[in-house]
Amino acid sequence: GIQVEQSPPDLILQEGANSTLRCNFSDSVNNLQWFHQNPWGQLINLFYIPSGTKQNGRLSATTVATERYSLLYISSSQTTDSGVYFCAPTSDTDKLIFGTGTRLQVFP
Amino acid sequence: KAGVTQTPRYLIKTRGQQVTLSCSPISGHRSVSWYQQTPGQGLQFLFEYFSETQRNKGNFPGRFSGRQFSNSRSEMNVSTLELGDSALYLCASSLKMNSGNTIYFGEGSWLTVV
Repeated sequence: GIQVEQSPPDLILQEGANSTLRCNFSDSVNNLQWFHQNPWGQLINLFYIPSGTKQNGRLSATTVATERYSLLYISSSQTTDSGVYFCAPTSDTDKLIFGTGTRLQVFP
Repeated sequence: KAGVTQTPRYLIKTRGQQVTLSCSPISGHRSVSWYQQTPGQGLQFLFEYFSETQRNKGNFPGRFSGRQFSNSRSEMNVSTLELGDSALYLCASSLKMNSGNTIYFGEGSWLTVV
């Protein structure tokens, strides 16, 4: 099955800093989604991005499917960005294959 | 419109008991899937349902089962609970299967087995 690697595993930032989170996957995928898990456990869908680049406010994501990676950019970090970020590709079903996540802590 | 609704949010059970968790998908969504999250194993896929049929199953023992009703609501059941079943159980819904839809998660059910 598809293997997913996320880096870095932990990230500590001061408010206002920018960051890049990376997701590598081992096989071709037909879909990839980025999620933010808040401190209460809910997974919030950030992007559905099987390829190309998308932007939503301070967040943007790029997936290069041919090279099997995706990047999530967070600009001007805020304390509310804290939590765990997961990328989750899918192959031929809606079964999400989660990486181990990047834990982000943003301090004021 | 309302998001994915999971009940109960928190529960404590004793080893050997069984538990049923419920999930109501977003209105109009017909695909429902379940995930288990533990500190040791991370997020793992349990099952996926579409039109009342299980379409995909993860690598979990037979004590874990589920079903989907005609209104797309889903339930999962864990019988003969073990301490290791303590976890956050997350339900997700999407419009339809295999079509690259955005997938939305509920707030989860926190299960503690003592």
